[in-house]
Amino acid sequence: KAGVTQTPRYLIKTRGQQVTLSCSPISGHRSVSWYQQTPGQGLQFLFEYFSETQRNKGNFPGRFSGRQFSNSRSEMNVSTLELGDSALYLCASSLTTANTGELFFGEGSRLTVL
Amino acid sequence: EDQVTQSPEALRLQEGESSSLNCSYTVSGLRGLFWYRQDPGKGPEFLFTLYSAGEEKEKERLKATLTKKESFLHITAPKPEDSATYLCAVAWATNKLIFGTGTLLAVQP
Repeated sequence: KAGVTQTPRYLIKTRGQQVTLSCSPISGHRSVSWYQQTPGQGLQFLFEYFSETQRNKGNFPGRFSGRQFSNSRSEMNVSTLELGDSALYLCASSLTTANTGELFFGEGSRLTVL
Repeated sequence: EDQVTQSPEALRLQEGESSSLNCSYTVSGLRGLFWYRQDPGKGPEFLFTLYSAGEEKEKERLKATLTKKESFLHITAPKPEDSATYLCAVAWATNKLIFGTGTLLAVQP
C-alpha cells in the first residue's frame, strides 16, 4: 500500500516569497496533520485537518495556513517567508484523528529560506 | 505548561549494551503516549502506543513502559541498526499532540 507522499522534497526560496507544500495521505486516511521540524525545537504541531475541516491548530502565526480537499489530499502554505521558516515540514496521515493512534509520516519537504 | 521532556539528548552504546530512554510529561488528562523512530532524512516511524499506567509493549529488542508521569523505552542488546532518533509524543485532553525533542541513539559495533 502506498505511503504518505510529500512534494516537493526540497525547495529553496528567498525571504518574502510564499510556498505551497503538498501531501497525499494513505488511501482511506481522513486525517492529515502537519509538523515543522527544526534542530532546536524538534517536531512542532502546525495543524490538523479531518474530512476537510481544520480540527486543531498549533501556535504558529497566520502566515501558516492549510487546507484539505475532498480526496483527503492536503496543502500547506507559508506566506511572506522568513529565514526562521527554514525547516523540514512533515505531513502525517491517520485513519482517525491524529491524537488517537498511529501516525504515518511522509519523508518531508525540506525548505530553505535565503 | 504542558510539556514533554526526553532524556538523555544523546546516547552512545556499544553493541549488546542494554539501556533505557526516558520520556517524562506534565500534561493532564493523558489520552495516549506514542513512541516513534526517525532515521536521518526520513519521517518518523511509529513504534508503540501506550494508554494507561502499567501498560507495556514489546517489539524485537524494544520494550516501552508507562507510569503516571513518564515512559521508558528499554533497548535490550542493541545492534548498530537500532541507531536512530527516538521520539515520544503525548496526546491529551485538548486533542493536540506534543512531541519531545528526541534522543539520538548511536550503537557502535
